[in-house]
Amino acid sequence: AQSVAQPEDQVNVAEGNPLTVKCTYSVSGNPYLFWYVQYPNRGLQFLLKYITGDNLVKGSYGFEAEFNKSQTSFHLKKPSALVSDSALYFCAVRGSWGTDKLIFGTGTRLQVFP
Amino acid sequence: EAQVTQNPRYLITVTGKKLTVTCSQNMNHEYMSWYRQDPGLGLRQIYYSMNVEVTDKGDVPEGYKVSRKEKRNFPLILESPSPNQTSLYFCASRDSQNQPQHFGDGTRLSIL
Repeated sequence: AQSVAQPEDQVNVAEGNPLTVKCTYSVSGNPYLFWYVQYPNRGLQFLLKYITGDNLVKGSYGFEAEFNKSQTSFHLKKPSALVSDSALYFCAVRGSWGTDKLIFGTGTRLQVFP
Repeated sequence: EAQVTQNPRYLITVTGKKLTVTCSQNMNHEYMSWYRQDPGLGLRQIYYSMNVEVTDKGDVPEGYKVSRKEKRNFPLILESPSPNQTSLYFCASRDSQNQPQHFGDGTRLSIL
C-alpha cells in the first residue's frame, strides 16, 4: 500500500539559512510525488512535483526537491529561507493508477526566525 | 480567475442535522475530491470523482455522501452529522492524472 512519512512535526531555521523538510514514501510502481504548502486559513497550494526525469525538481518560490529512489525520499529544500516561508508543508504520493487517490503525509510546520 | 469555491467557510451545527457543503470549480476539471484535515493526521481523502456520475470512496468515506451531476459541482453531504466529523474540509480539483490539485480555501465544520 502507498504511504508517505514526514518524520518531523516542526522544523526551525534562521532566515537566510538553507532549509530541508523531509519526506519518505512507499509505493508499488513508479512514484508520482508532490509537495504542497498551506498558509493559515487557506487551502493547499502546489509547490512542485516529480513524475519522471531529473532527480532535482524546481518549483515555486525558490523551492526544490530531490528525488532519491534508493532511499525512497523526496526532501524539500531551499537554499536561503525567508520568514514568509513559515507555513505547513505536505508531501503527497499519488495512489494506484486508475484512481484519483492522493495520499498525504501528516505535515511539517516550518518556522523561519528573523 | 481559476478557482475552487467552497461554501460555507464556517459552520456550527448540531448532531443529526443534515448539511451540505458545496464545491464548485471553474476550470472544467474532470477530477474532484474531498478531504478532511485533522491535527496530526494530515489530509485524508473522503471521496473522489473522476467524471460526471463517477464517484468512488477514498480512505474515510463513512458518514459522508457525494454526487457529481455536473462537471463543475461536487457537493459533500453529511446526512446525520456526528461530533467526530468536526474537522476542516477541503475540496480539490485537477485536470488529469499527473497534474497537481487545486484546493478550495476550506470549510471548518463544528458538530455539537
